Amino acid sequence: NAGVTQTPKFQVLKTGQSMTLQCAQDMNHNSMYWYRQDPGMGLRLIYYSASEGTTDKGEVPNGYNVSRLNKREFSLRLESAAPSQTSVYFCASSEWTGYQPQHFGDGTRLSIL
Amino acid sequence: DQQVKQNSPSLSVQEGRISILNCDYTNSMFDYFLWYKKYPAEGPTFLISISSIKDKNEDGRFTVFLNKSAKHLSLHIVPSQPGDSAVYFCGSSGGGADGLTFGKGTHLIIQP
Repeated sequence: NAGVTQTPKFQVLKTGQSMTLQCAQDMNHNSMYWYRQDPGMGLRLIYYSASEGTTDKGEVPNGYNVSRLNKREFSLRLESAAPSQTSVYFCASSEWTGYQPQHFGDGTRLSIL
Repeated sequence: DQQVKQNSPSLSVQEGRISILNCDYTNSMFDYFLWYKKYPAEGPTFLISISSIKDKNEDGRFTVFLNKSAKHLSLHIVPSQPGDSAVYFCGSSGGGADGLTFGKGTHLIIQP
């Protein structure tokens, strides 16, 4: 069972470059999320998609855009990468929003020089 | 300001004993709580959850207790095993459309 798959697993960018992080889930879930985790911090919500066709900002959306391509796929784009965006990015999905556990991918480790 | 706090960055417990991980929250709108376990270089794995209508939920070796008046929850692991060594995150939700709010995590180390 693949669950939530994130690509790439690792990436190094230069300041100002753009990049799209990909996420796909095979659990037929309706809701998908993007989080970032910084050293010594918990996970912080960047954007979420409650259902196909909708996206909303989370706690730390600045510098990011998202696309809910279809029910399975939810991508995160950095238009002009900054060193402050060096982090580990996790994608998650749940059957619906609300009282549901979220299931996470293994993360993308992104370094911006 | 942190809405979910895990005040112990690390905890060391002997194998076979009970591990107790604690979490405090400040937002009165939170009514759904979860615990996740995370190994290095992997994503968080869901362990157990509890809604505010309950004060206890059990699943095998894992039990979560919720004290709504104190805005406190705890995860008990009995007995602790070497594979339990990981970082544990407490997450909370208001049950609405947005995502989870997480604490900073507690690194549990199970000593042989």
